[in-house]
Amino acid sequence: DQQVKQNSPSLSVQEGRISILNCDYTNSMFDYFLWYKKYPAEGPTFLISISSIKDKNEDGRFTVFLNKSAKHLSLHIVPSQPGDSAVYFCAARNRDDKIIFGKGTRLHILP
Amino acid sequence: DTGVSQDPRHKITKRGQNVTFRCDPISEHNRLYWYRQTLGQGPEFLTYFQNEAQLEKSRLLSDRFSAERPKGSFSTLEIQRTEQGDSAMYLCASTFLGAGGYTFGSGTRLTVV
Repeated sequence: DQQVKQNSPSLSVQEGRISILNCDYTNSMFDYFLWYKKYPAEGPTFLISISSIKDKNEDGRFTVFLNKSAKHLSLHIVPSQPGDSAVYFCAARNRDDKIIFGKGTRLHILP
Repeated sequence: DTGVSQDPRHKITKRGQNVTFRCDPISEHNRLYWYRQTLGQGPEFLTYFQNEAQLEKSRLLSDRFSAERPKGSFSTLEIQRTEQGDSAMYLCASTFLGAGGYTFGSGTRLTVV
């Protein structure tokens, strides 16, 4: 039973354009959502998060949107840069502080 | 403090051998987590500690796996009688209780041949 779903295994975006990564979840008890970025042979690195009581959080080029009624969140990266090429994991925290991850979306930024 | 440290970075072992991994968390963090990541999957929860107490173990953690966190500092994850299916990246993370996200280490990549 996958509680956090990233349905796009990969995404290619032209440099300078907007990258939109999507994520759906099933558990309405999640209270916090996060995005992590991962390069090969490294551990995931925290990118941005959002509390379940908010619908938007912005940090520089990165914005996360949360639609609780649809159980959907998205990460927007604008403008996309070559260094953004990585695997992005959507994650959700449940009430006992455990984080559950999606399978990830590999983002390719094209020159 | 340079973050979460894991040792070794890579381990190749023969099937049937025992292996042990170490994780040194950020010193102020009271929670420590172990995850496993295989190709094409996200990190999957294995177990976690609050200080020295192991609070939960995933059903992914068979009897061949054991984790400890003596004195609430570093942690070890031991796999006995390794199998090829144990080949994966083993990730350690730490955090404060109630903090937002975790800080992950660089992981230990295990290859069982």
